[in-house]
Amino acid sequence: AQSVSQHNHHVILSEAASLELGCNYSYGGTVNLFWYVQYPGQHLQLLLKYFSGDPLVKGIKGFEAEFIKSKFSFNLRKPSVQWSDTAEYFCAVTRVSGTYKYIFGTGTRLKVLA
Amino acid sequence: DAGVTQSPTHLIKTRGQQVTLRCSPKSGHDTVSWYQQALGQGPQFIFQYYEEEERQRGNFPDRFSGHQFPNYSSELNVNALLLGDSALYLCASSKGQGVLDTQYFGPGTRLTVL
Repeated sequence: AQSVSQHNHHVILSEAASLELGCNYSYGGTVNLFWYVQYPGQHLQLLLKYFSGDPLVKGIKGFEAEFIKSKFSFNLRKPSVQWSDTAEYFCAVTRVSGTYKYIFGTGTRLKVLA
Repeated sequence: DAGVTQSPTHLIKTRGQQVTLRCSPKSGHDTVSWYQQALGQGPQFIFQYYEEEERQRGNFPDRFSGHQFPNYSSELNVNALLLGDSALYLCASSKGQGVLDTQYFGPGTRLTVL
């Protein structure tokens, strides 16, 4: 069965530190990949997405993610985090054909210390 | 441009009761998906509605049913509530473009079953 793994459940960083959140999926076919963010008290918002083309995807608020097909990974990065990046981050994947559902990881809670 | 809206915000029910949750999609969207997010977990796909029909269903029992109206809004019904149904129920809308879909999420309805 298709699944998504987010290895870091809780991450604590100081402001200006670099961030990398891991995401691995378990499907060998063609996929679409997403990162969603949930700020405290707010709903899930799309951070960035990959459908095809350049495997390095840039999103909002300085985030980027790199799709490495050989590693089934789609890690999220930001060179310098801010206190306002404190949130829960979810990786999601969907197959390009045969399904409409998104499979989500369990999320990573990021806390940025001012 | 209104985003995805859901009602009610919170709901408390007792075991065995039935509940109806409502969702209005983002303007221009015709597809609605429902997800269940248990505490500490990522969202899990319940089903998706397109053109007033259930297009795909996740691994949820028949107690979970839905409906989509001609104006694309949707309802999620859960019968014979169990304690384990306590969760945040998320509605997501998209344009029904299949593989190019990006789902946009509402704020959710927090259901507590006592």
